[in-house]
Amino acid sequence: EIVLTQSPGTLSLSPGERATLSCRASQSVGNNYLAWYQQKPGQAPRLLMYGVSRRATGIPDRFSGSGSGTDFTLTISRLEPEDFAVYYCQQYDSSPGLTFGGGTKVEIK
Amino acid sequence: QVQLQESGPGLVKPSQTLSLTCTVSDDSVSSGGYYWSWIRQHPGKGLEWIGYIYYSEYTYYNPSLKSRVSISVDTSKNQFSLKLTSATAADTAVYYCARGTDYMVAYWGRGIMVTVSS
Repeated sequence: EIVLTQSPGTLSLSPGERATLSCRASQSVGNNYLAWYQQKPGQAPRLLMYGVSRRATGIPDRFSGSGSGTDFTLTISRLEPEDFAVYYCQQYDSSPGLTFGGGTKVEIK
Repeated sequence: QVQLQESGPGLVKPSQTLSLTCTVSDDSVSSGGYYWSWIRQHPGKGLEWIGYIYYSEYTYYNPSLKSRVSISVDTSKNQFSLKLTSATAADTAVYYCARGTDYMVAYWGRGIMVTVSS
């Protein structure tokens, strides 16, 4: 089973700053089956990125994804007030299916 | 754009079966190519994928829950359902239904909080 470890646990930044979130897999993620989600309090998660670097519909281009193998990164180029939230990475493997990382909280400094 | 809405009891007694339904709008649960998922989130914790159904009959479950889970589709009502047997307090969570592919989830319902308690 592939385990996803996200770091840091919490990222304290100011609006306008750049955010770099890490997701490390215990084994190589096949076929670039790596996605990122944003979740705000009391809301369902929202798909941001899939296939490592493909933005989902309606996601602004300040969000970008990169990486391969076991190391992946979500970058928010300039934080907007609405970007402060928890971010989860997720991978797919034949067993046990979809698994999520523990999340990174991006909070206002 | 597809919309999903979870429904079901918010309180389940231990050892009973947790049953939830997801009503789908602006899409068909029998449409090919999409995977209809259940995902849960324990209070203050991360996300756990429960399983999905596709092509109305094929299912794939998280091995950690497989012995207790079943997901089915009711095409006449455009719904899909989750049943989780032998519920315990550890099953207390927000449950989301969702639509995606085999490797990611694109659309989510708003979620329903289910508490397992006597």
